[in-house]
Formats: sequence, C-alpha cells, structure tokens
Amino acid sequence: EAQVTQNPRYLITVTGKKLTVTCSQNMNHEYMSWYRQDPGLGLRQIYYSMNVEVTDKGDVPEGYKVSRKEKRNFPLILESPSPNQTSLYFCASRRVGTDTQYFGPGTRLTVL
Amino acid sequence: DAKTTQPTSMDCAEGRAANLPCNHSTISGNEYVYWYRQIHSQGPQYIIHGLKNNETNEMASLIITEDRKSSTLILPHATLRDTAVYYCIVRVAYDFNKFYFGSGTKLNVKP
Repeated sequence: EAQVTQNPRYLITVTGKKLTVTCSQNMNHEYMSWYRQDPGLGLRQIYYSMNVEVTDKGDVPEGYKVSRKEKRNFPLILESPSPNQTSLYFCASRRVGTDTQYFGPGTRLTVL
Repeated sequence: DAKTTQPTSMDCAEGRAANLPCNHSTISGNEYVYWYRQIHSQGPQYIIHGLKNNETNEMASLIITEDRKSSTLILPHATLRDTAVYYCIVRVAYDFNKFYFGSGTKLNVKP
C-alpha cells in the first residue's frame, strides 16, 4: 500500500532534550516536506526537500533541522525543543512533476 | 504570494450539495488553485486543483470565476464522512515547492 509513515505518533518530552521524528514514504517520491499545524494558524511549512541531499527552508524553519540521505526518509530533528514547538506535525511527499501531495498520519508533540 | 480567504465554518445537509467558497483576489496569472481537506487531525487529503477552467473528478467539482479572483468547491452529494476542514490553497508561481495553507473552512454535514 502506498503510504507515508511517521514515528512516533505521539511524543511528550521536556525542554532541551533532542528528538527526531521520522518520516518514510514507499512511493519513490522525490519531494518531501514537513509541516506543523497549530490552532488558528492552519498548516505551515517547516522544510522541504527536492531530492536526496537537497533541502530548503519553508516558512517556519527556526528550531528545526532536516536531512535527506535516502530518498525514502526525511527525518525532522529538534536539537533543543522548546514549549513553543508543541504542535501537530505532518510529513508529506510528492512525485516531482505532479501536484498531489500525500500526507502522513501526523505526530502530536508536546514539549514541557 | 496570493492569499486566500474562506469562511470559518459552514453547514450542509446530508445528501445535498456542499458549496465551499474561496476568495483569492490577488492571484496571479500562472498560479493554480488547490483544494485539500483534513478529517479530524488526520493528514490532509488532496481533492482537486485548477488554473482557470472548471475541473471535475470523482470527489468534487471546482468552479473558478472568469477573473480568477474566487473559486467554489462543490461536493455534489455530501455525506457525513465529508465533515472536515477544507483548505483552499494557491500555489506560489515561482516556487513549485511551497504550499501555503490557510485556516480553511470547517464543513459540518448534518443528518
């Protein structure tokens, strides 16, 4: 089944403790992206990647890092999480040349 | 970048057509209009997109005004499972990779 998976689905952590949210897609898509969703603000793009080793900032990249060493994986790294990064995070992928993004199920992160 | 304006919420009776409006008065000539929906904190789901012509697929129809300043997503026979937040998005013309999601419209389909 074609899908985008994220892990973990739920995470509660404390300020300053480094964490990684994984994202994987099995559709051989070149493009991958991370979004965060907060009440009243809709989805905001954090980072995106056009292909392996090619990443770029979205609208709200501060406090986040990403890497794209393999085509299927696009982890989101929070080196020193803060409470304002408490949010619902979505990973998405798309085949270059098409317009349809496929979203993962979401990761709900709470930073205390 | 073109911004979009949508009503915060709408109600629709089950079995009736749901018409969701979107204003994008600052859209430029080569920007597309996309619609996605999100069912209760699940990942957003693509519905349809268009440039200037009306479009139809198995999920919905998209009507774009001649001046392209607004559009309407039509769900022809809404069901309870169509209850979701619907996002109207305008794709940035010079950067294919950025999608700007607004606050969307919460559609409540009622029995």
